[in-house]
Amino acid sequence: RKEVEQDPGPFNVPEGATVAFNCTYSNSASQSFFWYRQDCRKEPKLLMSVYSSGNEDGRFTAQLNRASQYISLLIRDSKLSDSATYLCVVNWGYGQNFVFGPGTRLSVLP
Amino acid sequence: DTEVTQTPKHLVMGMTNKKSLKCEQHMGHRAMYWYKQKAKKPPELMFVYSYEKLSINESVPSRFSPECPNSSLLNLHLHALQPEDSALYLCASSQDGGAGSPLHFGNGTRLTVT
Repeated sequence: RKEVEQDPGPFNVPEGATVAFNCTYSNSASQSFFWYRQDCRKEPKLLMSVYSSGNEDGRFTAQLNRASQYISLLIRDSKLSDSATYLCVVNWGYGQNFVFGPGTRLSVLP
Repeated sequence: DTEVTQTPKHLVMGMTNKKSLKCEQHMGHRAMYWYKQKAKKPPELMFVYSYEKLSINESVPSRFSPECPNSSLLNLHLHALQPEDSALYLCASSQDGGAGSPLHFGNGTRLTVT
């Protein structure tokens, strides 16, 4: 079993749609959780950290379920500019142990 | 604008060349990382420096040699690379020691080995 798994994708959605991505992790000792977006041939950029109580940033909502060991990302009112690969990243403890999921590709279509 | 700066942006080198990738951050972060990323794959960890000491080496071949001259700088020295080493090389930093501190990536160096 992979340490961090994500929806395989790709997701092709029309502009204005709502889309949700899921990510599961195997290490129950995981401490912190992040969503990154990565555009083609660019570096990953932090989209949002994921907090235990869930958090929202504009059109983006992240949820964490520690009991089931998954996190989710909801994007409302999708824009063309949301097209990217979304990477789920889990930190297993303090400091340096970041584990990346394989990524989910999103294409928002006009 | 990225707060982690990498140079060069692109590099083409032959298998007998020696070159270096450079990374700099001024966020006061104490951990710095080198990742390698191939197309359609997530970044793959190579090395981690924590407080200027090498703390993680993910069994990387010796043709890759990291160096951390000070807390703001990270280098990756390349020698006798193979064509399969062609990839995007990403530097990142994090505060280290605190749960919840994310990685901050540089723009990357796109390396082609001929």
